[in-house]
Amino acid sequence: QQQVKQSPQSLIVQKGGISIINCAYENTAFDYFPWYQQFPGKGPALLIAIRPDVSEKKEGRFTISFNKSAKQFSLHIMDSQPGDSATYFCAASKGGKLIFGQGTELSVKP
Amino acid sequence: GAVVSQHPSWVICKSGTSVKIECRSLDFQATTMFWYRQFPKQSLMLMATSNEGSKATYEQGVEKDKFLINHASLTLSTLTVTSAHPEDSSFYICSAGGLLNPTEAFFGQGTRLTVV
Repeated sequence: QQQVKQSPQSLIVQKGGISIINCAYENTAFDYFPWYQQFPGKGPALLIAIRPDVSEKKEGRFTISFNKSAKQFSLHIMDSQPGDSATYFCAASKGGKLIFGQGTELSVKP
Repeated sequence: GAVVSQHPSWVICKSGTSVKIECRSLDFQATTMFWYRQFPKQSLMLMATSNEGSKATYEQGVEKDKFLINHASLTLSTLTVTSAHPEDSSFYICSAGGLLNPTEAFFGQGTRLTVV
């Protein structure tokens, strides 16, 4: 009920390509779905977030697509750059309490 | 964005000793703070929810007597790892939700604890 499943575990993309990471959740009480970027030895940094009453949100090169009926959401990184190489976590939240996905290690090759 | 500061950023301690980690919200008041633990190459796992002026709520499987949490003010929560053992070595991260928007969590930079 509390799980958030994330895939793929790792992803290699060429510079300029599109990176796509998927997540699925079970608990319909979640009301906030953020994506975080984490570099080694650092805390996670909020990238972009969406609420379930919206199907898509775009901020710069980052887009969240949200499918409420399927209980799935995804992160698209357009024009991926080597500096985007990091671990990405999706999460689902109720009242600030975050349940994280397993993480995706993204590597963008020059 | 809001700033959450965590201190220290890394600490090495001897087995059996206690270590205190501080989490401060620098430019906003946080009614609720959360403590997470992250092992290498793994995700963040919620340990406990810290509420200002009341007892912390621990997740299943987290020993409340080992991981003492105090949230004495709206800008400070502390996590004390008591009688630390090598298996407690991990990356500990706090997050804080604001008074106006408790849903959005801002993370500290994390504390790397190594118990030798």
